Amino acid sequence: DTGVSQDPRHKITKRGQNVTFRCDPISEHNRLYWYRQTLGQGPEFLTYFQNEAQLEKSRLLSDRFSAERPKGSFSTLEIQRTEQGDSAMYLCASSFPTGELFFGEGSRLTVL
Amino acid sequence: GIQVEQSPPDLILQEGANSTLRCNFSDSVNNLQWFHQNPWGQPINLFYIPSGTKQNGRLSATTVATERYSLLYISSSQTTDSGVYFCAVDDYGQNFVFGPGTRLSVLP
Repeated sequence: DTGVSQDPRHKITKRGQNVTFRCDPISEHNRLYWYRQTLGQGPEFLTYFQNEAQLEKSRLLSDRFSAERPKGSFSTLEIQRTEQGDSAMYLCASSFPTGELFFGEGSRLTVL
Repeated sequence: GIQVEQSPPDLILQEGANSTLRCNFSDSVNNLQWFHQNPWGQPINLFYIPSGTKQNGRLSATTVATERYSLLYISSSQTTDSGVYFCAVDDYGQNFVFGPGTRLSVLP
């Protein structure tokens, strides 16, 4: 598989629960990005990694959000104490430095 | 931070028509990409074009970095071209900022 893969594709949870999303980037890519997209809007940047280092975080990423990329390969995005406003598509993308972004199919979160 | 504008916000075409989508950005950029997104799908790369002109079949793109805009041309549009077109720019901040998109509907 040469594409970016994300898991799970869909997640329904109750408010207050924790959820975790996983992203496996294209293996040769050392940059990994997380974006959030709500209906009718463009993707909003959340954070990105170069190898295992988290180099930038958006102010959109509140204290309830945490992302890791422990060995510079796959990444996880965890949302603690979910709120209804967290309902969105969470998109992962990977690239070489200053290269093209390639997106995964996304993880759709619904918070009830 | 950098601002990205796209026009028009919505566009309805008859199949076979041509169209031009525009992306304006407020500062110098290191990279620029155009994406196409269908409902419930992910953004799909069309062009990686920080400057110059590229063509891929019925689609072509031109970026004039010194004047801070990029154009996406769609010729002989097909119903499968429907969806949202985004441009995204990297302002040397090492993350890509997306514009609001142009929603294209191609009618049979």
